[in-house]
Amino acid sequence: QQQVKQSPQSLIVQKGGISIINCAYENTAFDYFPWYQQFPGKGPALLIAIRPDVSEKKEGRFTISFNKSAKQFSLHIMDSQPGDSATYFCAALGADSWGKLQFGAGTQVVVTP
Amino acid sequence: GAGVSQTPSNKVTEKGKYVELRCDPISGHTALYWYRQSLGQGPEFLIYFQGTGAADDSGLPNDRFFAVRPEGSVSTLKIQRTERGDSAVYLCASSPIGGDTQYFGPGTRLTVL
Repeated sequence: QQQVKQSPQSLIVQKGGISIINCAYENTAFDYFPWYQQFPGKGPALLIAIRPDVSEKKEGRFTISFNKSAKQFSLHIMDSQPGDSATYFCAALGADSWGKLQFGAGTQVVVTP
Repeated sequence: GAGVSQTPSNKVTEKGKYVELRCDPISGHTALYWYRQSLGQGPEFLIYFQGTGAADDSGLPNDRFFAVRPEGSVSTLKIQRTERGDSAVYLCASSPIGGDTQYFGPGTRLTVL
């Protein structure tokens, strides 16, 4: 069963708009939450990551918001650009899980010019 | 520097055949992971190596799948008696000393006819 649930499955946003992707988890042992970006024919690349001791982390146009009590976290892409068109995966990792990342099903983002 | 490399990039085989997929991790990375990504899904963990030993092989779907890393660097994923359901992209990732950040290769797309 999928341990990390991701939504939406896809989204279309205009250039300059905000893309928002949400993820939820159940396992309270998770303590590291990365987001990966994947282009067609390429492997996933780490975009940004957060730990539960902070509620928000921002790197450039990308922001993770984390709600520990709700067991939810989200990725916000500000000022979306056509080059951001890709599939985005949230993931989670537990301290005792030997690096076994649990991925969401992915969100395909299309940024229109 | 060089990233994770995987060969071949594409492999087409017939049902029942044996295949080997190779992964060259980033130099100096002691942790190595294999994941499998089916179409439209997030990567699913298969196996984790710390050095030469498999620390966690709980994601291998059955005994037709086997992986080795004899010298603690290059790893080979071996699939016996391939089935059509094995068709997927097989991703390799590495990280320094089992760190949280995993660097993925481009994957090998396996197609079983």
